[in-house]
Amino acid sequence: DTGVSQNPRHKITKRGQNVTFRCDPISEHNRLYWYRQTLGQGPEFLTYFQNEAQLEKSRLLSDRFSAERPKGSFSTLEIQRTEQGDSAMYLCASSLAGEKLFFGSGTQLSVL
Amino acid sequence: DQQVKQNSPSLSVQEGRISILNCDYTNSMFDYFLWYKKYPAEGPTFLISISSIKDKNEDGRFTVFLNKSAKHLSLHIVPSQPGDSAVYFCAGVTGGFKTIFGAGTRLFVKA
Repeated sequence: DTGVSQNPRHKITKRGQNVTFRCDPISEHNRLYWYRQTLGQGPEFLTYFQNEAQLEKSRLLSDRFSAERPKGSFSTLEIQRTEQGDSAMYLCASSLAGEKLFFGSGTQLSVL
Repeated sequence: DQQVKQNSPSLSVQEGRISILNCDYTNSMFDYFLWYKKYPAEGPTFLISISSIKDKNEDGRFTVFLNKSAKHLSLHIVPSQPGDSAVYFCAGVTGGFKTIFGAGTRLFVKA
């Protein structure tokens, strides 16, 4: 099964620390997305890549957040100086084209 | 701003009966609407979609209806099975890439 892979599955960190998450999309997919989900809410759009180009960022994405997708393959999402409000499930999704997204299992971040 | 709204946090139905999940939207620029299903500890998985120019799409036990004048869509599951118990997210796609999700409805199918 070569679905979307996310690492780590869980991350516990102290407030003020930096964290980095990795997403490996389905290999032939050129589009990659990051979403954030909190309890009782649906996934919330953060950012979108087409190949290596980051084409859109949500206004919700403060400048403590940065995402990269070097060479249009895997992607990383870094959060600097984490805050308790950053605690959430971070979901990565990929697609080839069209409307259907394929999601990974997510990284659950807990900021203490 | 909540562009996609799912006003029922949960729904409980008996096995074999129909499940109807509802969704309202405010953004007239959505090109497609989709339903995703989510089990605990997994990411959402695609279930069924409908183009904004259609009013119905059917796939096995799942049918999605779109009422553009009312800005409302619904997902019908017939017959419901215990394995359908999950959280269902309604979503709209705009600009060819941005998917906006509702808050989800948790479906319980009782055996």
